[in-house]
Amino acid sequence: EVQLVESGGGLVQPGGSLRLSCAASGFTFSTYNMNWVRQAPGKGLEWVSYISTTSRTLYYADSVKGRFTIFRDNAKNSLYLQMNSLRAEDTAVYYCARDGAGGSGRPIDYWGQGTLVTVSS
Amino acid sequence: DIVMTQSPDSLAVSLGERATINCKSSQSVLYSSNNKNYLAWYQQKPGQPPKLLIYWASARESGVPDRFSGSGSGTDFTLTISSLQAEDVAVYYCQQYYSTPLTFGGGTKVELK
Repeated sequence: EVQLVESGGGLVQPGGSLRLSCAASGFTFSTYNMNWVRQAPGKGLEWVSYISTTSRTLYYADSVKGRFTIFRDNAKNSLYLQMNSLRAEDTAVYYCARDGAGGSGRPIDYWGQGTLVTVSS
Repeated sequence: DIVMTQSPDSLAVSLGERATINCKSSQSVLYSSNNKNYLAWYQQKPGQPPKLLIYWASARESGVPDRFSGSGSGTDFTLTISSLQAEDVAVYYCQQYYSTPLTFGGGTKVELK
């Protein structure tokens, strides 16, 4: 069974930093591209970042570029999101999300339960 | 960026009746090399993460009931629930995965009438 378990969320002051983690199991993590997607309270879904299997290709939403860094450790089956210079508008549930199998043309097919990040003084 | 526009914002449907949700992209999401539309539909229930229902605009994900169907091509797409069940009450999102940034529609809330 595919499982994605996020952790690391919490309350942080504006300008602060936080690192989110996602532990993957039930599939061969190193063969899947991964994403972070967020959802502000009561709002819709916003894609945040993407990382390829080898970490060679990285993409970011304009809203987080230069502040957030996505990375992964295939040996630990883990995905991370380092978030710096946090703003109130970064408050959201952050989901770890698995891309469809590489080259398959499938979209994001599994999501974790999410971790809540609250940026407030 | 490809802008995804969903309509309506909300929809109240009686049990057993049909629900239709529309999604329009600001540019074509049809990939010419394989003739597939890179358009997905997700269902999100309160307190849960999204669940993939449909990909390639009309391919049903494994385990998804056949009352859910997707149609359309290019820039105009539709998700249809042929006979609404109580467990279908949720917010539905379309998403294009043709290009980054991946973008979602604003969501359509489906409720019982």
